Amino acid sequence: GAVVSQHPSRVICKSGTSVKIECRSLDFQATTMFWYRQFPKQSLMLMATSNEGSKATYEQGVEKDKFLINHASLTLSTLTVTSAHPEDSSFYICSASGGGGINEQFFGPGTRLTVL
Amino acid sequence: GNSVTQMEGPVTLSEEAFLTINCTYTATGYPSLFWYVQYPGEGLQLLLKATKADDKGSNKGFEATYRKETTSFHLEKGSVQVSDSAVYFCALRGQGTGNQFYFGTGTSLTVIP
Repeated sequence: GAVVSQHPSRVICKSGTSVKIECRSLDFQATTMFWYRQFPKQSLMLMATSNEGSKATYEQGVEKDKFLINHASLTLSTLTVTSAHPEDSSFYICSASGGGGINEQFFGPGTRLTVL
Repeated sequence: GNSVTQMEGPVTLSEEAFLTINCTYTATGYPSLFWYVQYPGEGLQLLLKATKADDKGSNKGFEATYRKETTSFHLEKGSVQVSDSAVYFCALRGQGTGNQFYFGTGTSLTVIP
């Protein structure tokens, strides 16, 4: 199947700093990328959907000024957590579609963010 | 609205035991249903799917049947192996909601030799 990578896999930062997470589709062109957040023992929660070259669509309750999403190319989307706080600590997962038909999403391995 | 309720874990089984992980859903219309698996240190992988009522999805010995009357999509395997140890997620894609997925909380399975 198609491969999606995320970088970094783990990041620890101080409160107030910004963190950028990259999501790349390695062997297909991803017209749509999704960003999810997962708290321990909870579901994946969709944060936003981004289409290449256009602004991301955020889910209700997700602060767009805090979680900046850029989908500048068909193989790369970035999520920037601005002015991170301890409550932003979580597991962030991206997925991409476009390589396997509209019904399927290919998931990255996730990024563990810890804000001290 | 759309939601998925999944059996809580963790589940520990001996090799060759029978596995069932329960999943029920709430959705408007006719959703598509999925099981994803996440092996340690890896991303989610599609395990199987069913797109309409009474469809059975199957892969690698796992199977699940889309039951509209009970709004369920339980995952089963007749004989688990140590290599099946992973976290399993039930998910639905709602009808008319683009490509948005709704996930269950995940069930961790450990198979011991």
